[in-house]
Amino acid sequence: AQSVTQLDSQVPVFEEAPVELRCNYSSSVSVYLFWYVQYPNQGLQLLLKYLSGSTLVKGINGFEAEFNKSQTSFHLRKPSVHISDTAEYFCAVSDGSGGSNYKLTFGKGTLLTVNP
Amino acid sequence: EAQVTQNPRYLITVTGKKLTVTCSQNMNHEYMSWYRQDPGLGLRQIYYSMNVEVTDKGDVPEGYKVSRKEKRNFPLILESPSPNQTSLYFCASSLFPVSNQPQHFGDGTRLSIL
Repeated sequence: AQSVTQLDSQVPVFEEAPVELRCNYSSSVSVYLFWYVQYPNQGLQLLLKYLSGSTLVKGINGFEAEFNKSQTSFHLRKPSVHISDTAEYFCAVSDGSGGSNYKLTFGKGTLLTVNP
Repeated sequence: EAQVTQNPRYLITVTGKKLTVTCSQNMNHEYMSWYRQDPGLGLRQIYYSMNVEVTDKGDVPEGYKVSRKEKRNFPLILESPSPNQTSLYFCASSLFPVSNQPQHFGDGTRLSIL
């Protein structure tokens, strides 16, 4: 079984400050990893994904994440946040072993609030 | 425009009155799924469909039904809604039912069951 832990439920930061949203996963097989963002009153949209290859993944809106297999982590970072980055962020994991498990498991979310 | 469309966006109803939330995608996606989102719990999968006439239970299927008669539509049916089904519901789709495919989400349906 796979699981995702987002270590912070809320992260308040000031505008133009750097931010890191933490995500750890648990799985007995190899994984695919995703970060989704949910703006107020909207559905989720994909920020970035790690499928294979380079462990540093760049996404939309200046976000990036690093896959660390030894620490089973996939933390999301942005060097300088804007007010418009205020949203809830979800880390998700799926089975990367090529089996028949297509389930996408989500973390509980981290609410990023960017203050002026 | 590629999109997943859910209707209604908001609904307040009473216990026991059957309701259907529709979901339609215009991307010819094979895989479709329903999630519910509750505060502090993230998204939990209710049902999913690998293709037409192929559906299966997710993590929290109790009290829900689905059908997939056409590729584009995947309605969620609450035959006898109860207050514990008050939640924010999302429909999602992806091109193929494989685990490396990102999912496209609708804008959500907020249900309140009184």
